Amino acid sequence: EPEVTQTPSHQVTQMGQEVILRCVPISNHLYFYWYRQILGQKVEFLVSFYNNEISEKSEIFDDQFSVERPDGSNFTLKIRSTKLEDSAMYFCASSDRTGAAYGYTFGSGTRLTVV
Amino acid sequence: AQSVTQPDIHITVSEGASLELRCNYSYGATPYLFWYVQSPGQGLQLLLKYFSGDTLVQGIKGFEAEFKRSQSSFNLRKPSVHWSDAAEYFCAVGAPGTYKYIFGTGTRLKVLA
Repeated sequence: EPEVTQTPSHQVTQMGQEVILRCVPISNHLYFYWYRQILGQKVEFLVSFYNNEISEKSEIFDDQFSVERPDGSNFTLKIRSTKLEDSAMYFCASSDRTGAAYGYTFGSGTRLTVV
Repeated sequence: AQSVTQPDIHITVSEGASLELRCNYSYGATPYLFWYVQSPGQGLQLLLKYFSGDTLVQGIKGFEAEFKRSQSSFNLRKPSVHWSDAAEYFCAVGAPGTYKYIFGTGTRLKVLA
């Protein structure tokens, strides 16, 4: 079964450092997403991406965050200057159809710890 | 605003017993409804989804869910739980015309042998 792959599985970074989380979506999918889950809290939507541009973003996704599809296979989330409150599990997802109707395939997540 | 409530944070059942996990949503129209499962160290796996039509939907691993418009609920059920079902279960809502899901806080299921 096709999978969404995320690397690394766990990353520790110092406050103020830039971090890039990487994702390889399912190869024929065209819609890409990032979610995060702070420990003990809800899974929250960050951003959706289609046709090389952001299609929707949440209030959480401020200027410190950016997404990119640098080549035909990777989808990255960059946090420019990490804060302690960015510590969370970050999930990448992809889908082959538009919108929220069809269900995504999620990756297994990257646990980001900011110290 | 859309919201999803999963009233039970933890549920413990014995293996072989039946299971029902509750999910209530708040949305002006009928949203798209999903249940996901997360095993330790794993990602979120889609169990089942509801868009329209038959209000009882079947999913993977023997799970089913029933959409009840009058109660704004989408409860997940399984007739006989297996030890491997121990995981965290998330209900999610997607609004037509948007790309995002709103997740509930999750229900952690423990299965006793």
